[in-house]
Amino acid sequence: GAGVSQSPSNKVTEKGKDVELRCDPISGHTALYWYRQRLGQGLEFLIYFQGNSAPDKSGLPSDRFSAERTGGSVSTLTIQRTQQEDSAVYLCASSLPTLHTQYFGPGTRLTVL
Amino acid sequence: SQQGEEDPQALSIQEGENATMNCSYKTSINNLQWYRQNSGRGLVHLILIRSNEREKHSGRLRVTLDTSKKSSSLLITASRAADTASYFCATRTDGGTSYGKLTFGQGTILTVHP
Repeated sequence: GAGVSQSPSNKVTEKGKDVELRCDPISGHTALYWYRQRLGQGLEFLIYFQGNSAPDKSGLPSDRFSAERTGGSVSTLTIQRTQQEDSAVYLCASSLPTLHTQYFGPGTRLTVL
Repeated sequence: SQQGEEDPQALSIQEGENATMNCSYKTSINNLQWYRQNSGRGLVHLILIRSNEREKHSGRLRVTLDTSKKSSSLLITASRAADTASYFCATRTDGGTSYGKLTFGQGTILTVHP
């Protein structure tokens, strides 16, 4: 397959609803990252998966945010009880563990009304 | 909080001119990378410079790293309208539990006028 893919590309939801964002990394990449980018800002690290190791969740902003990675491949970022401040582009990236270059997906633009 | 801070926040130049963007960071790093982002979507990796390197070139790109000043610069020579984008520096820390993640700066918006 080509690069990292993410779905949906756009998501509009109402405040208080739960949303799930999906990321398909490049085949063979064992490291997967989620970032959040608010309008006009840089990227905020959210969570990092590396192989079978425990994920680094240090960037998750609250307990409403969670992520899982099934079978070492596809990852889902879940935001519960969405708030307006959750509106942002959510970017996923993957990489090989021994290399330092991250390959980014096109992102999911989340709008919470 | 963002470790990297870029300046200027925005840069507007004419085609053919050179563009220089700067990045400063706070903690010890393993490497520093520059990424480009078009239209607020996916980022594209441009160049990586390791902590033991001082300068690196890739096509029209030149990156310098000064670890004593904790700063880096990205120079784009002979700019083109297609270089218009946001440019971010990102640092990878030197080991520890945060080894895998990148810490991004706020970015520089570059506009190249034809």
